[in-house]
Amino acid sequence: DTGVSQDPRHKITKRGQNVTFRCDPISEHNRLYWYRQTLGQGPEFLTYFQNEAQLEKSRLLSDRFSAERPKGSFSTLEIQRTEQGDSAMYLCASGSRDSISYEQYFGPGTRLTVT
Amino acid sequence: GQNIDQPTEMTATEGAIVQINCTYQTSGFNGLFWYQQHAGEAPTFLSYNVLDGLEEKGRFSSFLSRSKGYSYLLLKELQMKDSASYLCAVRSRGGATNKLIFGTGTLLAVQP
Repeated sequence: DTGVSQDPRHKITKRGQNVTFRCDPISEHNRLYWYRQTLGQGPEFLTYFQNEAQLEKSRLLSDRFSAERPKGSFSTLEIQRTEQGDSAMYLCASGSRDSISYEQYFGPGTRLTVT
Repeated sequence: GQNIDQPTEMTATEGAIVQINCTYQTSGFNGLFWYQQHAGEAPTFLSYNVLDGLEEKGRFSSFLSRSKGYSYLLLKELQMKDSASYLCAVRSRGGATNKLIFGTGTLLAVQP
């Protein structure tokens, strides 16, 4: 399967703990996005990588959030000192600069529950 | 500001046609996308419009009017498996990201 993959699919953690999620994009895609989605809402943009460069971060991404894409392939999203408000589905999407529409392909997401 | 509006819920009958509307007000416009999302799953791409008019793809069609800030997704010959949330998303012009700004989604229930 050559789609976008994310790990883990589910994560339950206690408030104050740190968590890290991984995203593996489609192999030839140089664009990588992180979004957050809460129940009944559409995805909200968090951050964007073009190759290994992080080109944009949303104001939603507080100092407790950090994302990396060290070799321009997989990416990680870390949340430090988790809060209950961080509970959400974290979606990763990738895209190719060769696509005229800049279509984004989404992974299955990591559902985070902070207790 | 950025604002994308679509109905929260719709109900339709198997075999029928349903139209899901989306209006948008964004600081720039560089294309409109429709995604389908089944409960607990990732959004999957349905259609893309950047010019005015209708784009048809099998049972799904999408229309765009840039002057009116309006789009719709038309689903024909509805099937039970079409029960899902349908997300309208705008790609804003400017910057390098081509990030998508999503509406809240329209939850479609297809009934027998």
